Amino acid sequence: DGGITQSPKYLFRKEGQNVTLSCEQNLNHDAMYWYRQDPGQGLRLIYYSQIVNDFQKGDIAEGYSVSREKKESFPLTVTSAQKNPTAFYLCASKMRGSTDTQYFGPGTRLTVL
Amino acid sequence: AQSVTQPDIHITVSEGASLELRCNYSYGATPYLFWYVQSPGQGLQLLLKYFSGDTLVQGIKGFEAEFKRSQSSFNLRKPSVHWSDAAEYFCAVGSSGGSYIPTFGRGTSLIVHP
Repeated sequence: DGGITQSPKYLFRKEGQNVTLSCEQNLNHDAMYWYRQDPGQGLRLIYYSQIVNDFQKGDIAEGYSVSREKKESFPLTVTSAQKNPTAFYLCASKMRGSTDTQYFGPGTRLTVL
Repeated sequence: AQSVTQPDIHITVSEGASLELRCNYSYGATPYLFWYVQSPGQGLQLLLKYFSGDTLVQGIKGFEAEFKRSQSSFNLRKPSVHWSDAAEYFCAVGSSGGSYIPTFGRGTSLIVHP
């Protein structure tokens, strides 16, 4: 079955540590996205990538980094520079056309201890 | 810049009652509009989308939405709510140019009373 997988489902991190969230898709989608979700704030875009080896900052990129070495994969690293990293993180993908739908993964809940 | 407003943070309905969730958008050209649903701790699932044509759009799980250009609205409706519809609902507007990144509203939490 085609879809988007995110791992792990739950992640705990100590302050000062970097952590990497995985996102993999087998939908053959060109574009991939990372969102952060906090209660009452909807989805805020962190980074997105339209093609392999290229990505752009979203609205809240500070303290995060990404890579796009393969079409199927778009890992997100939450660095120690991110001041308030506890949140629910969602990965999404879509074809590049404007009318195409975004498909979402099940999310990773990151908690900083 | 495009934007989406969901005026209701929470909506409470009784099971079997009708439902309408409001969504207003701001966009300079013809918008591409979406409604997503999110169960607690899960990702978002597409309910329906509007690109062009018939302004009344049918979706999954018995939902429908109507695009009203004059009111810049895309309200989501369901004639009879089931307890399993309790979830968070997000409206989104997609851009027709550039990076095609949709903008999401802040969401409406639906509470269903038995």
